[in-house]
Amino acid sequence: AQKITQTQPGMFVQEKEAVTLDCTYDTSDQSYGLFWYKQPSSGEMIFLIYQGSYDEQNATEGRYSLNFQKARKSANLVISASQLGDSAMYFCAMREGRAGGFKTIFGAGTRLFVKA
Amino acid sequence: EADIYQTPRYLVIGTGKKITLECSQTMGHDKMYWYQQDPGMELHLIHYSYGVNSTEKGDLSSESTVSRIRTEHFPLTLESARPSHTSQYLCASSVGTSGRTGELFFGEGSRLTVL
Repeated sequence: AQKITQTQPGMFVQEKEAVTLDCTYDTSDQSYGLFWYKQPSSGEMIFLIYQGSYDEQNATEGRYSLNFQKARKSANLVISASQLGDSAMYFCAMREGRAGGFKTIFGAGTRLFVKA
Repeated sequence: EADIYQTPRYLVIGTGKKITLECSQTMGHDKMYWYQQDPGMELHLIHYSYGVNSTEKGDLSSESTVSRIRTEHFPLTLESARPSHTSQYLCASSVGTSGRTGELFFGEGSRLTVL
């Protein structure tokens, strides 16, 4: 069973507008971590934001924020004021807890296109 | 800026050849990982190591093998390359596995093409 689900293969957003990229996850662990990474066309993976399962406040990093809804097991990424340079693949990832061997697994990704 | 290096960046090789993809990091991280990624697709964990002389297979079955003799070095070897091995291989490391220490630092990847 897929543990990280990103249901949006592709998304379009107008420059300067906000966009939400969806991510749902499945785990039996109580302690886990959620990450978002960006992969531009050049191929490198860039860390964006982290949310711990026990964190009560949503994480924020500059223009990135994470809408964490634990009961729904969702961890959506919100990018505010989109820029052309935000066009890339975005991956949601979960660092599993003890039951999952502390491994980090990834979703299928969402390709974001920012329009001028 | 992360200090994790992969070589070669690009490799085109014939079927049946033995290849080794190198990965080195200068951050002193105990945890290292190999992911396989087809273009535009998700990353699949194929190997990981939580310290010297410790290696484990990941969630995606792979014919490759790894070794971890030194903290900074985590090479991946394919004894006999096949076209099905054509993919991008990403090496990563992390400080730890709990909280923010689980953040992965990635190399630039090795893109392998087997003819």
